[in-house]
Order: sequence, then C-alpha cells, then structure tokens
Amino acid sequence: SQQGEEDPQALSIQEGENATMNCSYKTSINNLQWYRQNSGRGLVHLILIRSNEREKHSGRLRVTLDTSKKSSSLLITASRAADTASYFCATDQTGANSKLTFGKGITLSVRP
Amino acid sequence: EADIYQTPRYLVIGTGKKITLECSQTMGHDKMYWYQQDPGMELHLIHYSYGVNSTEKGDLSSESTVSRIRTEHFPLTLESARPSHTSQYLCASSEYWGSDTQYFGPGTRLTVL
Repeated sequence: SQQGEEDPQALSIQEGENATMNCSYKTSINNLQWYRQNSGRGLVHLILIRSNEREKHSGRLRVTLDTSKKSSSLLITASRAADTASYFCATDQTGANSKLTFGKGITLSVRP
Repeated sequence: EADIYQTPRYLVIGTGKKITLECSQTMGHDKMYWYQQDPGMELHLIHYSYGVNSTEKGDLSSESTVSRIRTEHFPLTLESARPSHTSQYLCASSEYWGSDTQYFGPGTRLTVL
C-alpha cells in the first residue's frame, strides 16, 4: 500500500489565493520532502522537513509536519499561474534502506 | 535547473527493439536512480546505484538493466521492448543516499508500438 498519499488529488484555485495540499503516511519517517513536476518534465525539489521539525518556510512555501498524525501540509501563498503543476510528497522511511517513496501527486491548477 | 541530462526526451519504437536510455550528471553525485512513472501516477524506483560498479534493483520489478561504469553516467537498457514498457522514465541523482534531496532529469517518454 502507498506510504505517502496526497490529498486532494486535484485542486483548482484563482491566482492570488492560497493553496493547501496534504500528505499522509503510514510508518515512521526520517524526513519528508515535497517536489513539483511541471507537465512532461522531471521533478524539482521544493523543501525538506526532518522528523524533529514542525514547520519550515521557503519563500511562498510553508510546510508543516505532524509526526503524531503522520501528516504534512504544503501551503503555497499568493499563488501564481506559474505554480500550476503536480506536487508530490516523498517520505524516507526509517529502517527501509532510506529509499524515497513518492505519493501519486496533487494536480494544482492556478487560473489567471 | 539541475545538471542532470536525459536523452532522448521522446522515443517511439517497435516491439522487439533494443533501446538504451541515457542519463548523465555533472554534479559528481555518487548516488543515482531510475524511476518509472505512468501518467498521473506515482514514481516507482526500478534501479539505483551507490557508485561506480554498483547497481541494485528497486521496488518495482523491471525487465530493464543498468550499468555504472563512470560516476557521471547511468544508462538504462531494454533488450527487447514491449508495449508494456511504454512509460516515462526519470533519472535522478543525489549527493548522499536515499533521504537526501534528489535532482531529476527531464525524463524520457517511451512509447513501444
């Protein structure tokens, strides 16, 4: 079964609005990462949050991690049309030879 | 943009052909990975390498093979392509193993007729 599952599967918002995406996982992790993928391209790393961290910021991105609920959220503030992409969370499970496991992704559409 | 390159970007071939997907990186990373991704789906790790002369199979069984003769080069080969191999193949590298940030190439979209 999937280690990381994103929610919602698809999100459509107006430019300027905030976008919140969630990721849940099943087993203990060392860290959790968020990646962005533009259509037909490779993934681009956005942010990494370690298991002992609760919140992290990078520009317009804010990531939170709740290890008690095994969940993370990615907030994009003041969204732009260029933020339109698929967003993936990736978890590094403890004791699993430290391979990253990716979720199915969230498709974000930002309307101009 | 990451310094990791994949060629070709798109490939359409007939069943039974042998193909090699190229991946190279100029960041000096020891760790490299191949993922398979179907449209709208998650990435599945099919091969990885700790460094030169190291290759390991990933979580998803694949009929492809890989080699790592040079640090910067990690090609993937399919001896006899089939329609079931139609997918996007993504190459990635990282400085440290597994949990480290991975840098991805643009991908190769393979279609086998």
